[in-house]
Amino acid sequence: QSALTQPASVSGSPGQSITISCTGTSSDVGYYNYVSWYQQHPGKAPKLMIYDVSKRPSGVSNRFSGSKSGNTASLIISRLQAEDEADYYCCSYAGRSTRVFGGGTKVTVL
Amino acid sequence: EVQLVQSGAEVKKPGATVKISCKASGYTFTGYYIHWVQQAPGKGLEWLGRVDPEDGETIYAEKFQGRVTITADTSRDTAYMELSSLRSEDTAVYFCSIGTTQGGYNFDYWGQGTLVTVSS
Repeated sequence: QSALTQPASVSGSPGQSITISCTGTSSDVGYYNYVSWYQQHPGKAPKLMIYDVSKRPSGVSNRFSGSKSGNTASLIISRLQAEDEADYYCCSYAGRSTRVFGGGTKVTVL
Repeated sequence: EVQLVQSGAEVKKPGATVKISCKASGYTFTGYYIHWVQQAPGKGLEWLGRVDPEDGETIYAEKFQGRVTITADTSRDTAYMELSSLRSEDTAVYFCSIGTTQGGYNFDYWGQGTLVTVSS
């Protein structure tokens, strides 16, 4: 099972919107609507930001949204804030109870 | 309140075996699969496998098959991850996690992480 492909880094100015892509295959991202996104600050455990492609857990800002087209899922962060600077990982269900993560994207707020 | 509390840092020699624990509280232990995730220093997250605490069924990532063993002790509400034949590349933080949203296809609660250092 190969890791999902994410850009290594994405940056934006405060108030702007950014999009992080996550490309898999027709066996994971393209087949299942079970893509989730995690935010991780240095030295901390990951935090769930989006699940089932586009659902937002209680307590997560509505500036975070998710979508999917074909084998590629996307995380959109609107109205970028300094606190959004972190690493972001996508994860997809890949069948038979397995999961696969993306390589991670470092988001920098300029 | 759901909590996953992991055991402390470990230092092991190459070839040794490490066993990490994950103590669950705040929910019915048998209600959700417990997953383990590896994060090497400066690297991304990698899924190792999961256990169903209800019946002990396990599923492992192909990469770790044969070296990883995940178990669950319902009498202690604790899950364990054992990794054998340790090599330097296994130096990492290991997290346990559960998914409580419908279907449990994600991870919404995480342990604090356990650092395993493999060094001669």
